[in-house]
Amino acid sequence: DVKVTQSSRYLVKRTGEKVFLECVQDMDHENMFWYRQDPGLGLRLIYFSYDVKMKEKGDIPEGYSVSREKKERFSLILESASTNQTSMYLCASSPGGLGYEQYFGPGTRLTVT
Amino acid sequence: RKEVEQDPGPFNVPEGATVAFNCTYSNSASQSFFWYRQDCRKEPKLLMSVYSSGNEDGRFTAQLNRASQYISLLIRDSKLSDSATYLCVVNLFHGSGNTGKLIFGQGTTLQVKP
Repeated sequence: DVKVTQSSRYLVKRTGEKVFLECVQDMDHENMFWYRQDPGLGLRLIYFSYDVKMKEKGDIPEGYSVSREKKERFSLILESASTNQTSMYLCASSPGGLGYEQYFGPGTRLTVT
Repeated sequence: RKEVEQDPGPFNVPEGATVAFNCTYSNSASQSFFWYRQDCRKEPKLLMSVYSSGNEDGRFTAQLNRASQYISLLIRDSKLSDSATYLCVVNLFHGSGNTGKLIFGQGTTLQVKP
C-alpha cells in the first residue's frame, strides 16, 4: 500500500511564525503535491513537484514556498504565518507520468492565532 | 464555469437504496477520471478510476460519457458506512497538453440512514 505521512496532525502557530509542514511518501513516486482544503472552497493546489529540486506553482502559491531535496520528501513552508492560512493541509503523491491518481496523507490541521 | 461541477447534496437515503451522483467537467481534452471518497475530517481516498467502457467494483459502478462530458457513480444497496463525501476528479489539460494536475470537484455528500 502507498503510504504518505505528514509530520503533524494538528498544529497551532502564532501570526508571523515560520511554519514547516513535512510530507514523506514511501512508494518512490515522482510527483508530490500540496493542497489546502477549506469549507466551501474544496481542495486547492498550492505547489507541486515532478522531481527532486523541481517545483511548480499551483493555483494559490502566495505566502507559501516548498522544498524537495529528496525524492521521498516534500516540505511546505509558510514564511510568515497569517490567520488566513488557518486550514487543513493535505500532501499527495502520484507515480511518474501525467494524470495518474494521487494518494493523500492524513492532513495537518493548522490553526494560526 | 467551474472545471468540475457536482451537486453538493446532501443526498439522504435509507439503507439498501440505490443512489447515483453525476459530475460534469468542462475540458473535453481530459483523459483521466476518478472518484474519491472523503470521510469527515479525513483525507480523500481513491474509490475508483473511471474508464471509457464503464467499470464496476462490487456495489459501485462508474460511467463516463465523453460526448456529454459527465461522469457518474452509482452505489447499490447503500450501507451506513457509505456515508461520506464523494469527490469527482478530472485531470487538467491546457493548450500545450496534459499538465499532470488533477482538478477536484467540491464533492457530493451522502448520508445513509438506518
